[in-house]
Amino acid sequence: GQQLNQSPQSMFIQEGEDVSMNCTSSSIFNTWLWYKQDPGEGPVLLIALYKAGELTSNGRLTAQFGTTRKDSFLNISASIPSDVGIYFCAGDLFSRGSRLTFGEGTQLTVNP
Amino acid sequence: EAGVAQSPRYKIIEKRQSVAFWCNPISGHATLYWYQQILGQGPKLLIQFQNNGVVDDSQLPKDRFSAERLKGVDSTLKIQPAKLEDSAVYLCASSLGQPSEGQFFGPGTRLTVL
Repeated sequence: GQQLNQSPQSMFIQEGEDVSMNCTSSSIFNTWLWYKQDPGEGPVLLIALYKAGELTSNGRLTAQFGTTRKDSFLNISASIPSDVGIYFCAGDLFSRGSRLTFGEGTQLTVNP
Repeated sequence: EAGVAQSPRYKIIEKRQSVAFWCNPISGHATLYWYQQILGQGPKLLIQFQNNGVVDDSQLPKDRFSAERLKGVDSTLKIQPAKLEDSAVYLCASSLGQPSEGQFFGPGTRLTVL
């Protein structure tokens, strides 16, 4: 089956720093999604990408759908303490975001 | 608008016992999903329903796991009998199926099998 490799596994940064994380796959995906999960909660959708090369922003978050359709990147600018959590990439072989394969997650810690 | 509801939030059982989880999706969402999330990993799809029909259960361990969605709304996931390796968070999600919305997740049920 499909497998998503997410890196880094964890990050420890200072408040105000920018963050970059990425996700790669051996398979081509038609949709890439980025989720954030807080402790004791389910994942929450941050950004959805539907076209190769697409660059989409949501506030301080920017994500890109790789041109090969096998990777995606998430950047967080000017991090704040509430950015702490686990960030998951998810890929969908179908175009409607309805059947997802998740990466292993990047644990982000922001020191005030 | 109310989100996806799940109960119980926590459950501790001994191996070989049975357990059931309940999910109420967002009103109007036709598609419902059950995921298993083992500590330190991403969610893994167990089963997907479209209304009350199963769309994908290829990763459901059918010898011990079962799920149903009667009347196309609420759903239950059952494990019988439980094994130690079933310890995980079981997440329910629902969606309209529209690309711009993705899936909405509930808070999950944390299962510990002793």
